[in-house]
Amino acid sequence: AQSVAQPEDQVNVAEGNPLTVKCTYSVSGNPYLFWYVQYPNRGLQFLLKYITGDNLVKGSYGFEAEFNKSQTSFHLKKPSALVSDSALYFCAVREHILTGGGNKLTFGTGTQLKVEL
Amino acid sequence: DAGVIQSPRHEVTEMGQEVTLRCKPISGHNSLFWYRQTMMRGLELLIYFNNNVPIDDSGMPEDRFSAKMPNASFSTLKIQPSEPRDSAVYFCASRRRGTYEQYFGPGTRLTVT
Repeated sequence: AQSVAQPEDQVNVAEGNPLTVKCTYSVSGNPYLFWYVQYPNRGLQFLLKYITGDNLVKGSYGFEAEFNKSQTSFHLKKPSALVSDSALYFCAVREHILTGGGNKLTFGTGTQLKVEL
Repeated sequence: DAGVIQSPRHEVTEMGQEVTLRCKPISGHNSLFWYRQTMMRGLELLIYFNNNVPIDDSGMPEDRFSAKMPNASFSTLKIQPSEPRDSAVYFCASRRRGTYEQYFGPGTRLTVT
Protein backbone atom coordinates (compact mmCIF):
# COMPACT_ATOMS: atom_id res chain seq x y z
CA ALA A 1 0.00 0.00 0.00
CA GLN A 2 1.07 3.56 -0.63
CA SER A 3 1.79 5.74 2.37
CA VAL A 4 3.15 9.10 3.42
CA ALA A 5 4.77 10.10 6.69
CA GLN A 6 4.89 13.52 8.27
CA PRO A 7 7.55 13.24 10.97
CA GLU A 8 6.73 16.50 12.76
CA ASP A 9 3.50 17.07 14.65
CA GLN A 10 4.23 20.78 14.89
CA VAL A 11 6.55 23.29 13.24
CA ASN A 12 7.16 26.74 14.68
CA VAL A 13 8.65 29.54 12.61
CA ALA A 14 8.98 33.30 12.92
CA GLU A 15 7.16 35.50 10.44
CA GLY A 16 9.39 36.41 7.54
CA ASN A 17 11.56 33.31 7.91
CA PRO A 18 11.49 30.44 5.42
CA LEU A 19 9.38 27.44 6.38
CA THR A 20 9.60 23.75 5.57
CA VAL A 21 7.01 21.08 6.36
CA LYS A 22 8.38 17.60 5.80
CA CYS A 23 6.81 14.63 4.05
CA THR A 24 8.28 11.30 2.97
CA TYR A 25 6.52 8.72 0.86
CA SER A 26 6.50 5.00 0.22
CA VAL A 27 4.98 3.89 -3.08
CA SER A 28 5.26 1.20 -5.70
CA GLY A 29 5.55 2.80 -9.10
CA ASN A 30 5.52 6.50 -9.85
CA PRO A 31 4.38 8.69 -6.98
CA TYR A 32 1.53 11.16 -7.35
CA LEU A 33 1.88 13.52 -4.37
CA PHE A 34 -0.25 16.30 -2.94
CA TRP A 35 -0.30 18.97 -0.24
CA TYR A 36 -3.46 20.25 1.46
CA VAL A 37 -4.01 22.92 4.10
CA GLN A 38 -6.74 23.03 6.74
CA TYR A 39 -7.59 26.24 8.55
CA PRO A 40 -9.54 26.02 11.82
CA ASN A 41 -13.13 24.86 11.39
CA ARG A 42 -12.71 24.53 7.62
CA GLY A 43 -12.36 21.71 5.11
CA LEU A 44 -9.06 20.76 3.52
CA GLN A 45 -7.92 22.98 0.66
CA PHE A 46 -5.77 21.74 -2.21
CA LEU A 47 -2.40 23.53 -2.40
CA LEU A 48 -0.34 21.74 -5.04
CA LYS A 49 0.50 18.41 -6.63
CA TYR A 50 3.38 16.53 -8.23
CA ILE A 51 2.51 14.13 -11.03
CA THR A 52 5.50 14.36 -13.34
CA GLY A 53 7.90 16.94 -14.70
CA ASP A 54 9.86 19.55 -12.76
CA ASN A 55 10.87 18.54 -9.27
CA LEU A 56 9.92 21.99 -7.93
CA VAL A 57 6.17 22.46 -7.95
CA LYS A 58 4.54 25.82 -7.32
CA GLY A 59 1.12 26.12 -5.71
CA SER A 60 -1.30 28.48 -4.05
CA TYR A 61 -0.48 31.23 -1.54
CA GLY A 62 3.22 31.26 -2.45
CA PHE A 63 3.85 27.67 -1.41
CA GLU A 64 6.05 25.29 -3.33
CA ALA A 65 7.17 21.71 -2.86
CA GLU A 66 10.30 19.88 -3.88
CA PHE A 67 10.08 16.31 -5.09
CA ASN A 68 13.23 14.30 -4.32
CA LYS A 69 13.17 10.78 -5.69
CA SER A 70 16.40 9.61 -4.08
CA GLN A 71 15.25 10.71 -0.63
CA THR A 72 11.59 9.77 -1.28
CA SER A 73 10.58 13.16 0.01
CA PHE A 74 8.11 15.86 -0.96
CA HIS A 75 8.71 18.75 1.45
CA LEU A 76 6.48 21.83 1.43
CA LYS A 77 8.28 25.17 1.47
CA LYS A 78 7.67 28.89 1.50
CA PRO A 79 10.43 31.51 1.31
CA SER A 80 8.82 33.92 3.79
CA ALA A 81 6.20 32.76 6.29
CA LEU A 82 3.15 34.79 7.28
CA VAL A 83 1.16 34.59 10.49
CA SER A 84 -1.84 33.76 8.30
CA ASP A 85 -0.07 30.59 7.12
CA SER A 86 -0.67 29.08 10.56
CA ALA A 87 -2.77 25.99 9.88
CA LEU A 88 -2.72 22.20 9.69
CA TYR A 89 -0.91 20.81 6.63
CA PHE A 90 -1.46 17.37 5.14
CA CYS A 91 0.66 15.47 2.66
CA ALA A 92 -1.14 12.83 0.53
CA VAL A 93 -0.35 10.17 -2.04
CA ARG A 94 -2.53 8.68 -4.74
CA GLU A 95 -3.42 5.04 -4.21
CA HIS A 96 -4.89 2.92 -6.97
CA ILE A 97 -7.80 0.73 -5.90
CA LEU A 98 -7.30 -2.77 -7.22
CA THR A 99 -10.85 -4.03 -6.76
CA GLY A 100 -13.39 -1.82 -8.46
CA GLY A 101 -10.86 0.46 -10.03
CA GLY A 102 -10.38 4.16 -9.52
CA ASN A 103 -8.02 5.78 -7.09
CA LYS A 104 -8.07 7.57 -3.77
CA LEU A 105 -5.76 9.72 -1.67
CA THR A 106 -4.01 8.43 1.42
CA PHE A 107 -3.29 11.29 3.82
CA GLY A 108 -0.53 11.76 6.36
CA THR A 109 -1.23 12.56 9.99
CA GLY A 110 -0.82 16.27 9.49
CA THR A 111 1.66 18.91 10.70
CA GLN A 112 0.50 21.93 12.66
CA LEU A 113 2.35 25.03 11.45
CA LYS A 114 2.55 27.96 13.83
CA VAL A 115 3.95 31.25 12.53
CA GLU A 116 4.70 33.79 15.22
CA LEU A 117 5.46 37.50 15.07
CA ASP B 1 -18.36 28.30 -8.72
CA ALA B 2 -20.05 26.72 -5.74
CA GLY B 3 -17.83 24.32 -3.89
CA VAL B 4 -18.88 21.11 -2.18
CA ILE B 5 -21.94 21.77 -0.05
CA GLN B 6 -22.60 19.91 3.17
CA SER B 7 -25.54 20.06 5.54
CA PRO B 8 -26.07 20.45 8.35
CA ARG B 9 -22.91 22.23 9.48
CA HIS B 10 -23.50 21.22 13.06
CA GLU B 11 -25.55 18.36 14.47
CA VAL B 12 -26.11 17.52 18.12
CA THR B 13 -28.06 14.37 18.85
CA GLU B 14 -28.64 11.85 21.59
CA MET B 15 -27.22 8.37 21.60
CA GLY B 16 -29.46 5.95 19.75
CA GLN B 17 -30.88 8.51 17.35
CA GLU B 18 -30.53 8.32 13.59
CA VAL B 19 -28.28 10.91 11.96
CA THR B 20 -28.23 11.80 8.25
CA LEU B 21 -25.48 13.92 6.75
CA ARG B 22 -25.87 15.37 3.27
CA CYS B 23 -23.48 16.32 0.51
CA LYS B 24 -23.77 18.01 -2.86
CA PRO B 25 -20.58 17.59 -4.91
CA ILE B 26 -19.20 20.15 -7.32
CA SER B 27 -21.13 20.07 -10.59
CA GLY B 28 -19.38 17.92 -13.17
CA HIS B 29 -17.38 15.93 -10.64
CA ASN B 30 -17.93 12.19 -10.89
CA SER B 31 -16.18 10.89 -7.76
CA LEU B 32 -17.32 11.49 -4.19
CA PHE B 33 -15.61 10.68 -0.89
CA TRP B 34 -16.78 10.66 2.73
CA TYR B 35 -14.16 11.21 5.45
CA ARG B 36 -14.21 11.39 9.24
CA GLN B 37 -11.76 13.49 11.25
CA THR B 38 -11.05 13.15 14.96
CA MET B 39 -8.14 14.18 17.14
CA MET B 40 -7.41 10.58 18.04
CA ARG B 41 -7.62 8.97 14.61
CA GLY B 42 -6.92 11.85 12.26
CA LEU B 43 -8.51 11.84 8.81
CA GLU B 44 -10.13 8.54 7.79
CA LEU B 45 -11.68 7.66 4.43
CA LEU B 46 -15.06 6.03 5.02
CA ILE B 47 -16.36 5.37 1.51
CA TYR B 48 -15.67 6.35 -2.10
CA PHE B 49 -18.19 6.54 -4.97
CA ASN B 50 -17.34 6.66 -8.66
CA ASN B 51 -20.17 7.53 -11.05
CA ASN B 52 -22.64 7.05 -8.16
CA VAL B 53 -21.40 3.49 -7.50
CA PRO B 54 -19.65 2.60 -4.22
CA ILE B 55 -16.11 1.51 -5.07
CA ASP B 56 -14.41 1.20 -1.70
CA ASP B 57 -16.30 1.05 1.60
CA SER B 58 -13.58 -0.64 3.59
CA GLY B 59 -13.35 2.35 5.89
CA MET B 60 -16.97 2.24 7.04
CA PRO B 61 -16.65 1.46 10.76
CA GLU B 62 -19.57 -0.93 11.16
CA ASP B 63 -23.07 -1.76 10.04
CA ARG B 64 -24.46 1.28 11.81
CA PHE B 65 -22.97 3.38 9.01
CA SER B 66 -24.43 3.46 5.51
CA ALA B 67 -23.96 5.75 2.52
CA LYS B 68 -25.91 6.29 -0.67
CA MET B 69 -25.50 8.28 -3.84
CA PRO B 70 -28.83 8.19 -5.69
CA ASN B 71 -27.64 10.62 -8.37
CA ALA B 72 -24.61 12.64 -9.41
CA SER B 73 -25.69 15.65 -7.34
CA PHE B 74 -26.40 14.16 -3.94
CA SER B 75 -25.06 11.77 -1.36
CA THR B 76 -26.00 10.88 2.20
CA LEU B 77 -24.14 9.31 5.09
CA LYS B 78 -26.42 7.77 7.70
CA ILE B 79 -25.61 6.57 11.19
CA GLN B 80 -28.25 4.45 12.91
CA PRO B 81 -28.14 4.15 15.86
CA SER B 82 -25.61 6.85 16.73
CA GLU B 83 -23.13 6.44 19.59
CA PRO B 84 -20.97 8.98 21.46
CA ARG B 85 -17.83 7.58 19.78
CA ASP B 86 -19.25 8.71 16.43
CA SER B 87 -18.66 12.33 17.45
CA ALA B 88 -16.35 13.79 14.83
CA VAL B 89 -16.20 16.15 11.87
CA TYR B 90 -17.45 14.47 8.72
CA PHE B 91 -16.18 15.75 5.38
CA CYS B 92 -17.41 15.17 1.88
CA ALA B 93 -15.05 15.68 -1.07
CA SER B 94 -15.46 15.40 -4.82
CA ARG B 95 -13.17 14.98 -7.80
CA ARG B 96 -13.44 15.54 -11.53
CA ARG B 97 -12.87 12.68 -13.95
CA GLY B 98 -9.30 12.51 -15.18
CA THR B 99 -7.84 14.41 -12.24
CA TYR B 100 -6.51 13.31 -8.86
CA GLU B 101 -7.03 16.22 -6.49
CA GLN B 102 -10.12 16.23 -4.33
CA TYR B 103 -12.09 19.28 -3.23
CA PHE B 104 -13.50 19.25 0.27
CA GLY B 105 -16.67 20.64 1.74
CA PRO B 106 -16.75 22.62 4.99
CA GLY B 107 -17.67 19.57 7.04
CA THR B 108 -20.41 18.60 9.48
CA ARG B 109 -19.50 18.63 13.15
CA LEU B 110 -21.43 15.80 14.81
CA THR B 111 -21.81 15.58 18.56
CA VAL B 112 -23.55 12.54 20.02
CA THR B 113 -24.39 12.86 23.71
